[in-house]
Amino acid sequence: RKEVEQDPGPFNVPEGATVAFNCTYSNSASQSFFWYRQDCRKEPKLLMSVYSSGNEDGRFTAQLNRASQYISLLIRDSKLSDSATYLCVVYNTNAGKSTFGDGTTLTVKP
Amino acid sequence: EPEVTQTPSHQVTQMGQEVILRCVPISNHLYFYWYRQILGQKVEFLVSFYNNEISEKSEIFDDQFSVERPDGSNFTLKIRSTKLEDSAMYFCASPSTRKTEAFFGQGTRLTVV
Repeated sequence: RKEVEQDPGPFNVPEGATVAFNCTYSNSASQSFFWYRQDCRKEPKLLMSVYSSGNEDGRFTAQLNRASQYISLLIRDSKLSDSATYLCVVYNTNAGKSTFGDGTTLTVKP
Repeated sequence: EPEVTQTPSHQVTQMGQEVILRCVPISNHLYFYWYRQILGQKVEFLVSFYNNEISEKSEIFDDQFSVERPDGSNFTLKIRSTKLEDSAMYFCASPSTRKTEAFFGQGTRLTVV
């Protein structure tokens, strides 16, 4: 089983749609969780951290369920500029490293 | 956003040659990572480096690879005797003070021919 597993995608949605990405992780000792965004041939950029209480940043909402070892990202009112690959990232303090999911590609169309 | 700088942006090398990739992490950070991403594949952890020592490394980071801090601000990833399969984007990342979320450099695209 992969350490971090994401929806395979790709997701193709019209502008204005709401889209949700899911991610599961296998190591229960994982301690910090993030969503990154990666544009084609660019570096990953931190989108938002994910907390158990859930957190929101504008049109983006992230949720963490530690019991189910599940992370989600919701994008509302999607824009053309949201087109990118979204990476679920899990940090394990004991291992001292971050593990990336394979990424889910989103294409927002006019 | 804090800035991490990598050079060169693109390097082409012949198989069997040695390459050195350079990174200037966020100022005063002692902890940083190297990752690689083969075209079309996921981002893979290579090594973490703390206070002049390797902290963690993956199975990818074999004897062919080494990391150094040649001076107070630069970090390097050296690949000895490059292979075709070493062709990838190599990212340096400097973590936050909590050593959790990381800020990535623009990457070096390594092409081995």
